[in-house]
Amino acid sequence: QVQLQESGPRLVRPSETLSLTCDVSGFAISFGFYWGWIRQPPGKGLEWIGSIHHSGKTYFNPSLKSRVTISVDTSMDRFSLKVTSLTAADTAVYYCARHELTGSKDFGYWGRGTLVTVSS
Amino acid sequence: QTVVTQEPSFSVSPGGTVTLTCGLTSGSVSTNYYPSWYQQTPGQTPRTLIYSTSSRSSGVPDRFSGSILGNKAALTITGAQADDESDYYCLLYLGSGISVFGGGTKLTVL
Repeated sequence: QVQLQESGPRLVRPSETLSLTCDVSGFAISFGFYWGWIRQPPGKGLEWIGSIHHSGKTYFNPSLKSRVTISVDTSMDRFSLKVTSLTAADTAVYYCARHELTGSKDFGYWGRGTLVTVSS
Repeated sequence: QTVVTQEPSFSVSPGGTVTLTCGLTSGSVSTNYYPSWYQQTPGQTPRTLIYSTSSRSSGVPDRFSGSILGNKAALTITGAQADDESDYYCLLYLGSGISVFGGGTKLTVL
């Protein structure tokens, strides 16, 4: 059973950088697939942020690309998200998920999400 | 910029059939966009219902089905139940590693 768990700060200040981590269990990241981040502002819809392969290859939402970094640590079965220059508009529930980008292109397994609030 | 469109809201009577759609502001949706569908109830994680246009995820009841109707992807719920009242999101793959979610449809069962 593939499980994902997000972790990181719940409150960050405007202009600062958000760092989140997703720990994967039940499946080794090095076995394949892409691993992605999705966010959802309160009361709004889902937005794909970006995805990473265990090889380090990445794809990003063009609207966020300039502020986003995604990295992977296959030895820890973990991948991470950084978002710079935060504003209140980045307040959202952040989900990590397994992205079946080499096959069916969907998100097959999701973490429970973590709410991040950007506020001074 | 390509936008994925969904009906903002829809309602269906218990036991009824409803079809939600997923389109593009520019162009037609085909199987090449690998449409997938997600169900989300308030405060919960999205649940994958359909992938690759019409394949049901494990454990999803067969009253949920996916297809291409005209120039859009479609999610049909046959015999709607009260606990189908949720938000539904489609996801399209635009190519070159880029995926886009639709704005979501709020389904009411009443």
